[in-house]
Amino acid sequence: DADVTQTPRNRITKTGKRIMLECSQTKGHDRMYWYRQDPGLGLRLIYYSFDVKDINKGEISDGYSVSRQAQAKFSLSLESAIPNQTALYFCATSDRGTGQNEQFFGPGTRLTVL
Amino acid sequence: GDSVTQMEGPVTLSEEAFLTINCTYTATGYPSLFWYVQYPGEGLQLLLKATKADDKGSNKGFEATYRKETTSFHLEKGSVQVSDSAVYFCALTPITGGGNKLTFGTGTQLKVEL
Repeated sequence: DADVTQTPRNRITKTGKRIMLECSQTKGHDRMYWYRQDPGLGLRLIYYSFDVKDINKGEISDGYSVSRQAQAKFSLSLESAIPNQTALYFCATSDRGTGQNEQFFGPGTRLTVL
Repeated sequence: GDSVTQMEGPVTLSEEAFLTINCTYTATGYPSLFWYVQYPGEGLQLLLKATKADDKGSNKGFEATYRKETTSFHLEKGSVQVSDSAVYFCALTPITGGGNKLTFGTGTQLKVEL
């Protein structure tokens, strides 16, 4: 089984709809991240969480919110989706304890907003 | 702020050709440097890393050397295979205070043909 899972893998929705993307991990890591990937722009950080009570904005948090329901779960919400939020979204985890700075990525969710 | 610059793609090579993908960075101090690879339809995987100047990261025949004097971390492989076709991302994370946050380059697509 994959260590970092994301649901759904693909989603098509309409402008104005509320969407939630979910991420779960079995790695026991304390840190979790949400990125979006756009062609030619690489990956950009939306939100990150160092533990259940610590949520931080990344470089492109406008239009998004997150919830860290448990150490293993980190959800990303689009309260009112718009077409320029069409992108590939990745969740990632890392372990502060190892000090290795490596992040482990989920398989991604492809979101299309019509 | 921190930034990573990669050569633009796509890079198209014949099988067994030599590969170089250039990466330079801007950061304070001595960040940790990474190469991630994204195969079609998948999430990112760590390919190799280096955490201090003159370190060489290596994996699966790929190598990159942390060059502080030129702020570079170029990816090389002596003989590429069709299975190496993917998108390659250079990334960095600060040595302190960064909370494992990764700054990515825009990615370089590699296509290897028979």
